[in-house]
Amino acid sequence: KNEVEQSPQNLTAQEGEFITINCSYSVGISALHWLQQHPGGGIVSLFMLSSGKKKHGRLIATINIQEKHSSLHITASHPRDSAVYICAVLSTGNQFYFGTGTSLTVIP
Amino acid sequence: ETGVTQSPTHLIKTRGQQVTLRCSSQSGHNTVSWYQQALGQGPQFIFQYYREEENGRGNFPPRFSGLQFPNYSSELNVNALELDDSALYLCASSLDGTGFSDTQYFGPGTRLTVL
Repeated sequence: KNEVEQSPQNLTAQEGEFITINCSYSVGISALHWLQQHPGGGIVSLFMLSSGKKKHGRLIATINIQEKHSSLHITASHPRDSAVYICAVLSTGNQFYFGTGTSLTVIP
Repeated sequence: ETGVTQSPTHLIKTRGQQVTLRCSSQSGHNTVSWYQQALGQGPQFIFQYYREEENGRGNFPPRFSGLQFPNYSSELNVNALELDDSALYLCASSLDGTGFSDTQYFGPGTRLTVL
């Protein structure tokens, strides 16, 4: 069983749609990260959260510590948002766990 | 552009060989982490170095070892390569702190193929 589960695994959206990617985890955490990985491997850190909500441009990340759940939202999606989105957590036991990613394709 | 570079970009080795992968962190970043990402999988944490000392380790055998140097560069060494070591190896640096509690800046990765 994975400590971090993401859903959906794959997602196809029309340009302009509102997108939600979910992350659930089973361990106590100190921090949760949302990462974006483009084809070819480059990874960009989007958000780091330990509580509440963060917003950057069209991206919003929320976390509910009690429910052990986080969501990444993309408003007004664009083809350049097409990438794999990965949820990762630092457990209170100081171990890092990663989800397997959500592959997003935004169609013009 | 994160300012983190890795070399080489691609590498092919045979089973049993040894490999050294290199990472150059952003200047001033005292923490570097290494990850292995198999095809179609999320990254797996290998280990982390902070100010040249190993600061944490994931579930990888001792044949995976590392070094961090004062000039913000680091190495990942893998001995006795196995076929399952074929993966993308990513390094990530952060300004300071321990664990994953600071924003990490990822390099582009080294694609290792073991034949």
